[in-house]
Formats: sequence, C-alpha cells, structure tokens
Amino acid sequence: AQSVTQPDIHITVSEGASLELRCNYSYGATPYLFWYVQSPGQGLQLLLKYFSGDTLVQGIKGFEAEFKRSQSSFNLRKPSVHWSDAAEYFCAVGVSGGYNKLIFGAGTRLAVHP
Amino acid sequence: GAVVSQHPSWVICKSGTSVKIECRSLDFQATTMFWYRQFPKQSLMLMATSNEGSKATYEQGVEKDKFLINHASLTLSTLTVTSAHPEDSSFYICSARDSIYEQYFGPGTRLTVT
Repeated sequence: AQSVTQPDIHITVSEGASLELRCNYSYGATPYLFWYVQSPGQGLQLLLKYFSGDTLVQGIKGFEAEFKRSQSSFNLRKPSVHWSDAAEYFCAVGVSGGYNKLIFGAGTRLAVHP
Repeated sequence: GAVVSQHPSWVICKSGTSVKIECRSLDFQATTMFWYRQFPKQSLMLMATSNEGSKATYEQGVEKDKFLINHASLTLSTLTVTSAHPEDSSFYICSARDSIYEQYFGPGTRLTVT
C-alpha cells in the first residue's frame, strides 16, 4: 500500500540555520512527489514537485528537494531559514499518476528561533 | 495563482443537525475536487473525490450517507455533514484540480459539533 512517512514531528531551528525535513515513501510505481506548507488560516501551498527528470528540484521560497529512488526518500532542504518559514510541512505522493490522488505524510511542524 | 475558497471558515452546530460546506474555485474551472479531513496535529486524510456532474468516489471507511458531496458545476462542490455528531468535529479541507492537473487547496473549514 502507498504511504508516506515523515519521521520528525517537530523540528526547531535557529533563524539563518540550514534545514532538512525528511520524507520517505512507499509506492510501487514511479512516484509523483510533492511538498506542501500549511500556515494557520491558509490553505496548503505547493512548495515543489517531482515527476521525472532531474532529481534535484527547486521550489518556491528558496526550498529544494532531492529525490533518491534507492532510499525512497524526498527530503526538503533550505540553506538558510527565515522566521516566516515556521509552519507545518507535508510531504505527499500522488497515486494513479499526477494529481489524481494525494497521500500525505503526518507532517513536520517547524519552529524557528530568532 | 489559482484560488480556492471555502465557506464558512468556521461553523458550530448542534448534534443531530446538518451542515453544508462550500468549496469554490474562483478563477479556474475544476474538473475534479477533493475533500479531506484533518484532525488536530494530524495529516490530511482524503475522504472523497468528486467530478463535475457525476457521483463522488468515497475512500474506504467514509460513510457516503453521512458525508454528502455534490459537484454541481465546474466551480462549486459542496460537502454536507448530515446528522452531525461530536465525533464529526474536525477541519475539512477541499482542493480543486484544474485542466493541467495542478491541485489547489482551500483554507479549510473548522466544524465543531456540540
């Protein structure tokens, strides 16, 4: 069965520090992978997605993610975190192709210390 | 970017009553809309997929008679929680998919059943 695991429930980093959020997936076919951010009172916003091609994908707000098939991972990274990055981050895998259906991980709540 | 709205953003109802939540794609036509449920500090769980003009497809374990979904037009889908009970209290999120399969999320509706 398809599933997404985000091992870290909470992460706290200092402003300006680098960030890596982990995501592992289980899916039999070629995965379509996504990272979303959820801020209070706002809908989920797509940070980036991977369908095929270059395994290092660039997203909005300075985020990037690397797809590693051998590790079934799609970790999200940012070299320097800003206080406004504090939010909930969700990794998701699209099943049955593209955006047909999304399976979400449990989410990682990011706190940023000044 | 594309915008999806939900109304109301917060609703309180008494046990046994029904409540309707609207999801609208404001600047694009949505061939498919999705309804998710999110418990506090948990991930999003897909409840159902609705395609305009046809019956919704419910995920396993979701009571179709309790959660009525109507996708009457390419810009509007509604979720009606019938005979609501306290255990139905949750955060309900919709998303809409456009013609190139980009999925956009609404800000969510918090339902509290007393």
